[in-house]
Amino acid sequence: GQSLEQPSEVTAVEGAIVQINCTYQTSGFYGLSWYQQHDGGAPTFLSYNALDGLEETGRFSSFLSRSDSYGYLLLQELQMKDSASYFCATNSGNTPLVFGKGTRLSVIA
Amino acid sequence: SQTIHQWPATLVQPVGSPLSLECTVEGTSNPNLYWYRQAAGRGLQLLFYSVGIGQISSEVPQNLSASRPQDRQFILSSKKLLLSDSGFYLCAWSVGRVGSPLHFGNGTRLTVT
Repeated sequence: GQSLEQPSEVTAVEGAIVQINCTYQTSGFYGLSWYQQHDGGAPTFLSYNALDGLEETGRFSSFLSRSDSYGYLLLQELQMKDSASYFCATNSGNTPLVFGKGTRLSVIA
Repeated sequence: SQTIHQWPATLVQPVGSPLSLECTVEGTSNPNLYWYRQAAGRGLQLLFYSVGIGQISSEVPQNLSASRPQDRQFILSSKKLLLSDSGFYLCAWSVGRVGSPLHFGNGTRLTVT
């Protein structure tokens, strides 16, 4: 089976940097994905890491360490609109994504 | 471009009533289709997925069922709803391997009373 652990809540100040961690246990790990979900909305895909290292997409970056079964999502220059829930997800080969329980990010002024 | 339509957006149903939620995808062929459920303030639970017409994989045994009568149509059904079926139901699609990035519909918020 697969399981993922991520903090339930994080609070950060507008303009700052925040890191949301995710640790996972899975057999046959294939990659780590991140999704953003605003209240009442649908999740949207943010990033995917299959190899170790950092992937950057604008203000968002995602990191993976396969040896540590660990990854994180880094959000820079935080904006109020970044307040949302963020989910990490993994899959094993040709299997559907399994999601963590999500981290609720609150950006404060 | 690809789009996904899911309806209705909200639904209030009494316990014991039937359920039918529909999802269609446009702009892609032979997508993988998924139904997820999200309880209030919780994570996403995979209910069913399909890699082709008539091919349904069930992840969680319960009183729900899914069908894929056409390539780009995915239906979630129940004969008799339970209170515990309340939640936010999300349809999603992907292409290629089953674990590839998901594209979600806007969801259906179901309240069973």
